[in-house]
Amino acid sequence: DAKTTQPPSMDCAEGRAANLPCNHSTISGNEYVYWYRQIHSQGPQYIIHGLKNNETNEMASLIITEDRKSSTLILPHATLRDTAVYYCIVRDPYNQGGKLIFGQGTELSVKP
Amino acid sequence: EAQVTQNPRYLITVTGKKLTVTCSQNMNHEYMSWYRQDPGLGLRQIYYSMNVEVTDKGDVPEGYKVSRKEKRNFPLILESPSPNQTSLYFCASSLWGSSTDTQYFGPGTRLTVL
Repeated sequence: DAKTTQPPSMDCAEGRAANLPCNHSTISGNEYVYWYRQIHSQGPQYIIHGLKNNETNEMASLIITEDRKSSTLILPHATLRDTAVYYCIVRDPYNQGGKLIFGQGTELSVKP
Repeated sequence: EAQVTQNPRYLITVTGKKLTVTCSQNMNHEYMSWYRQDPGLGLRQIYYSMNVEVTDKGDVPEGYKVSRKEKRNFPLILESPSPNQTSLYFCASSLWGSSTDTQYFGPGTRLTVL
């Protein structure tokens, strides 16, 4: 599976947009980009995923660059409850076992 | 409500005393998986199951067993727990286990082996 690189930590002011970057320069054409988050040792929570096009759902937006070597997760109006570790994951469709490979993630702190 | 449940949520036990952590999902998912999470090592897959009676090893299967006798349940069995199995365990499920499936995680089981 392609590896991802994320900053270890970020701060964001409450009510502002949180923009979390992820580099995946070795991604191949059929690999999806997934984002999960984990709030203080709870089970990881799915946020959004995409292949080539930008995606938006009720939680966030995902912007994938045209060359697909990087992406940005956008939380449009961050709240204190968005404080969590955010994981960017690239999934190989031929991955045996369907596992998600979690890196170290970005610890996002939303401050009042 | 669609969910993955795990029991118990917390468990303290002693070395060698067999234990089972249960996992159940109500989404009719074919695929289920177990992960453990340790500081500095992230989440690592222990075992997975693509369907009833079909299970396979993940990255760290030593010391664990699983079974999949019915679609909704996927228990994790530690026949003879050791202190190095002290960890936070998560069960997950998805429709098929493919790269386009979303995996849903349970709330976690924190296990301490003394």
